[in-house]
Amino acid sequence: SQQGEEDPQALSIQEGENATMNCSYKTSINNLQWYRQNSGRGLVHLILIRSNEREKHSGRLRVTLDTSKKSSSLLITASRAADTASYFCATFPSYNTDKLIFGTGTRLQVFP
Amino acid sequence: EAGVAQSPRYKIIEKRQSVAFWCNPISGHATLYWYQQILGQGPKLLIQFQNNGVVDDSQLPKDRFSAERLKGVDSTLKIQPAKLEDSAVYLCASSRTSGRNNEQFFGPGTRLTVL
Repeated sequence: SQQGEEDPQALSIQEGENATMNCSYKTSINNLQWYRQNSGRGLVHLILIRSNEREKHSGRLRVTLDTSKKSSSLLITASRAADTASYFCATFPSYNTDKLIFGTGTRLQVFP
Repeated sequence: EAGVAQSPRYKIIEKRQSVAFWCNPISGHATLYWYQQILGQGPKLLIQFQNNGVVDDSQLPKDRFSAERLKGVDSTLKIQPAKLEDSAVYLCASSRTSGRNNEQFFGPGTRLTVL
């Protein structure tokens, strides 16, 4: 079963704008990860945030985690056409040692 | 460093036929995963190997799916016989070892269409 659900399911923006995607999950977690998937490079790991962290940055990416609300958000600043892809959150539930469980994904389209 | 290799990239078969997918993980990676990704959904773990031993195959439909990782390196995933609902992308991933903080590296996937 899917642990996470991303919102929105699809998002279209212009280059230069910021894109925000949200992820909600069901059970307590050890960590939450964000992945990007496009036809050119497949599924690529972007960033990992642990359950005791609230915010993390990597380049133009900013991830927040609110464990009380069981939610996370991914912000991409100053988006580029190359950011067009599907974005997935994935969690390691606390009850399970090694099984990474993916959400349903947000399809991001960035127009030049 | 070479990435995870998979073949074939695309496969079209008719239902009740058999198919096999091959994966070569990143050199030195002890853990290998097979995921199934149905169109519009996130990847779902089918089976996880640690070296040549199975760690988790709880979501593998064992009546038709099988996987092996002989010698703890390459792996094959087989479907016999295939059903229409097996149409999906099959992703192979590897990580240096198992554990929650180890990054998984994914291959390009094999897109299977069952007619």
